[in-house]
Amino acid sequence: DIQMTQSPSSLSASVGDRVTITCRASQSISNNLNWYQQRPGNAPNLLIYTAFSLQSGVPSRFSGSGSGTDFTLTISSLQPEDFATYYCQQSYSTPPTFGQGTKVEIK
Amino acid sequence: QGQLVESGGGVVQPGRSLRLSCAATGFTLSSYAMHWVRQAPGRGLEWVAVTSYDGGHNYYADSVKGRFTISRDNSKSTLYLQMGSLIAEDTAVYYCARGDCSSTSCRRFDYWGQGTLVTVSS
Repeated sequence: DIQMTQSPSSLSASVGDRVTITCRASQSISNNLNWYQQRPGNAPNLLIYTAFSLQSGVPSRFSGSGSGTDFTLTISSLQPEDFATYYCQQSYSTPPTFGQGTKVEIK
Repeated sequence: QGQLVESGGGVVQPGRSLRLSCAATGFTLSSYAMHWVRQAPGRGLEWVAVTSYDGGHNYYADSVKGRFTISRDNSKSTLYLQMGSLIAEDTAVYYCARGDCSSTSCRRFDYWGQGTLVTVSS
């Protein structure tokens, strides 16, 4: 199975801050990397697919980059509704696997 | 806009069985692979199983293989997860999620249900 490792596990930031979350795969997954946002008590929601494509309806302050084994999710200017947990997920092979999550908290 | 609604969760004793359902509306279920993903309390996301658009191909996580069975009834627009020999470690919120295309290699989850909680406890 492909292991996905996110960093940091949590971070504190203020509204308006630029936030970067990284995700590393245990082997190359090309660009088969997706990002999800999960607000407390809610289901995950797809933000970014194939490493950098923005899902319909997702604000443009979210962006993704990377390929191979190293990937990044960036929020250009953090908004109050962005405080949540973010997961990366590889869709390269079965079983699809997730990172452990990064919790973005209010500073 | 697609919508998925899970049902069937509850409290069940270890060793017993439970069947979850996931009703799909707003899209043609028979065109998509479907997955189950679970989340233990306070933990991350774990993929459980996938079924192809016609139910002809199914795959499972090692942690549930031989105990869980995924199936679908496209005529009823419903996905199922039959869970057997339940153990405490199966306690989680179970989400159904749509794959982004029809085969089991469609591993991007573009629609999710709200989840149903399964608690395995004596």
